[in-house]
Amino acid sequence: NAGVTQTPKFQVLKTGQSMTLQCAQDMNHNSMYWYRQDPGMGLRLIYYSASEGTTDKGEVPNGYNVSRLNKREFSLRLESAAPSQTSVYFCATVTTQGGDTQYFGPGTRLTVL
Amino acid sequence: GENVEQHPSTLSVQEGDSAVIKCTYSDSASNYFPWYKQELGKRPQLIIDIRSNVGEKKDQRIAVTLNKTAKHFSLHITETQPEDSAVYFCASPGSGYSTLTFGKGTMLLVSP
Repeated sequence: NAGVTQTPKFQVLKTGQSMTLQCAQDMNHNSMYWYRQDPGMGLRLIYYSASEGTTDKGEVPNGYNVSRLNKREFSLRLESAAPSQTSVYFCATVTTQGGDTQYFGPGTRLTVL
Repeated sequence: GENVEQHPSTLSVQEGDSAVIKCTYSDSASNYFPWYKQELGKRPQLIIDIRSNVGEKKDQRIAVTLNKTAKHFSLHITETQPEDSAVYFCASPGSGYSTLTFGKGTMLLVSP
């Protein structure tokens, strides 16, 4: 039982390059979330998926796209990376409605040069 | 949307002292208040949470108190230990389905 996994762990991109961050969970949770974490800014929600087949914008969606591939997988895509997207990205899952525990993946550290 | 403010941003204590971190929220309808701990280089993990139908909850050395009238909640850590050193985040429900709005975090340093 791996919980929530993310790939890659680290990535360096040049401005304008694209990449996809992968998140997978084996907890049979319905809802999945993508956050970015910057120093002094806490965790900010980028996009989320309440259930398979649905996605919604969070607080900071600009420059990102997401795909809920199936119940297990939720990917985050940067089409044209910018230095402002340098951050640590966390995926999280929640099992039920109403503010239950969020389980986080180990994170992806992304640097955009 | 919900606004969560967290204070202080950094907190240094001596081992054995108590530590208190406070958060305020804006949405009076919020009913769930979790606290997450993030050790250096690790993922955030839930350490304690409280729902709006109670005023206090304890789990060994940690406790959370909630004042719904004043719209604030606090994390209390007693008899601090060096392994309590971490960044602590408070949160409250966001505007989306099962979303959370997080505070900006408090870096707690416990010196031996």
